[in-house]
Amino acid sequence: DAGVIQSPRHEVTEMGQEVTLRCKPISGHNSLFWYRQTMMRGLELLIYFNNNVPIDDSGMPEDRFSAKMPNASFSTLKIQPSEPRDSAVYFCASSIGTGEGYTFGSGTRLTVV
Amino acid sequence: GNSVTQMEGPVTLSEEAFLTINCTYTATGYPSLFWYVQYPGEGLQLLLKATKADDKGSNKGFEATYRKETTSFHLEKGSVQVSDSAVYFCALSPRRTALIFGKGTTLSVSS
Repeated sequence: DAGVIQSPRHEVTEMGQEVTLRCKPISGHNSLFWYRQTMMRGLELLIYFNNNVPIDDSGMPEDRFSAKMPNASFSTLKIQPSEPRDSAVYFCASSIGTGEGYTFGSGTRLTVV
Repeated sequence: GNSVTQMEGPVTLSEEAFLTINCTYTATGYPSLFWYVQYPGEGLQLLLKATKADDKGSNKGFEATYRKETTSFHLEKGSVQVSDSAVYFCALSPRRTALIFGKGTTLSVSS
């Protein structure tokens, strides 16, 4: 298995632009998670899906952030408009259920200038 | 509520030294407990887990025991190597929701 695949690995964008991060979970995993990692805040859960349905989006910072999971093999996290404080590494992870060990992708390092 | 507290780093050790990274938790019910490791430029990888009290998780020479009486899950290794340099995260799994991670502890091992 190729693991959880995230794209792009790096993204540099100007403030105000739309950014879309992509994730392909492991086949057969029914839970998908988006986390954000910064030095100041550590690892924060943004949103998670179970069977393609958003279950908890209380970690999404504000309306500028949105996430979708149109099918079991693909999810997106969109930021519109982006701001410098959104600069972070964004991780996608998947698992069988919420209580099991997660498999993380390699992350997307986002820099908003 | 549910939370995880890890000792602050960085932890700096010489090769072959003994490692302990402390982790305590607050949780309702009986969560599973995990240690994850993050190498530079990579995502987190599951290192070990324990699903009930007194269970010992182990992997690659690392061990941690689920202590319900002290609500702890300390990570230990008898002899660290330079290749163990990484960030280590303790995490707990509450019922029906996502893993909650500690802030991470950076380990630096020198030869």
